Order: sequence, then structure tokens, then C-alpha cells
Amino acid sequence: DVKVTQSSRYLVKRTGEKVFLECVQDMDHENMFWYRQDPGLGLRLIYFSYDVKMKEKGDIPEGYSVSREKKERFSLILESASTNQTSMYLCASSPQSPANQPQHFGDGTRLSIL
Amino acid sequence: AQKITQTQPGMFVQEKEAVTLDCTYDTSDPSYGLFWYKQPSSGEMIFLIYQGSYDQQNATEGRYSLNFQKARKSANLVISASQLGDSAMYFCAMRDLYNNNDMRFGAGTRLTVKP
Repeated sequence: DVKVTQSSRYLVKRTGEKVFLECVQDMDHENMFWYRQDPGLGLRLIYFSYDVKMKEKGDIPEGYSVSREKKERFSLILESASTNQTSMYLCASSPQSPANQPQHFGDGTRLSIL
Repeated sequence: AQKITQTQPGMFVQEKEAVTLDCTYDTSDPSYGLFWYKQPSSGEMIFLIYQGSYDQQNATEGRYSLNFQKARKSANLVISASQLGDSAMYFCAMRDLYNNNDMRFGAGTRLTVKP
């Protein structure tokens, strides 16, 4: 069965801290994604990666960076956490083809910035 | 640009009845896919059903079916014989099939099944 694992379900950090959210998939998928979910806004794409060391900005990349050193791992980094980054963060992966394949999601990380 | 609209923030349905969750979309791409996901309170996103823009028949997966009306740009999810475990957030999403990276999500509908 497919599996996307996010390192933490709940995380509390302080303003100004550097925060790392980790995501690992075991399906050998080329594509990996980081989303942010806020009530009434659905899921918004922060960054995605279609290959090792490759990354592309999504709709809301400001204040975030990503790292993909290995195919199975995609990390989201909050360089200097701020209270407006308190949110639910979801990682997903999908194969490059066929295009009709869904994205597979992790369980999410509820991040609170105090 | 692609856009997904879910106009029902919340819906209630009686157990064992059917319910329709609305989804409309806007795109200029001729080839696209529509996806529905379920998100229980625990947070994980569960893929339910897929419909391709060129598919001739409406998709079905067990109790889930998709009422796809291409001319009206709507892709409503129908859940038959609702169960208490169906209570969750439901998201409609769309992707251009030539751009595998650009999935757009609606704001979601919270479904509550009453016993």
C-alpha cells in the first residue's frame, strides 16, 4: 500500500525559529508537493519538486524553502517562523505518469507558531 | 487560470440517504482530470474518485459516483446510502493532464451525517 509519512502530527514553535517539516514517500514517485490548508481556503500549493534537487514555486512560496536531496524525501523549511504560518501542512506525492493518477497525501502536520 | 468552486461550506444528510456535493470548475484546457478527496477529522486526505474530461461515462466507485456535466463545467459528487463514517470534509480538485504539477483545490464542503 502507498505511504506518505510526515514526521510530526503536531508541532509548536516560537516566532523567529527555523522550522523543518519532513516528508517521506515509499512509492518511488517523481513528484512531491507541500500544501498549506486553512479554513475556507482549501489547499494552497507552497512548493513542488519533480525530481531530486529540482523545485518549483507554487502559489504561496514566500517565507518557505524546500529541499529534495533524495527521491523519497521532501523537506519544507520555514526560515524564520511567524504567527501567520500557523496552519495545517500537507505533503503529497504522485508519479510523473500517467497523468490521471491522484496525489497521495500524508496525515498532515498541525503547526502552531507562538 | 484554473479555478474550482465549492459553494456549500456545510451539508447535513440523514443516515442511509443520498447526498450530492457540488463542484464547478473553470478552465480553458481541453484535457483535464477531476478528483474528489475525503478528509476526516484526523486530517489525512483520502482519494475517492476520478473523472477525465474525455471520459464518456460518469465515474463510479462503490457508493461514490460523479455527476459530470462537461458543458456546465460541473463535477458533483454523489454519495449513496450515507453512513456515519462519511462525516468529513470533502474537496474537489482539478488538474490539467498535460501539467502534472498543477492541482487546484476547492475550499471544501463539510458533510455531517445524522443518525
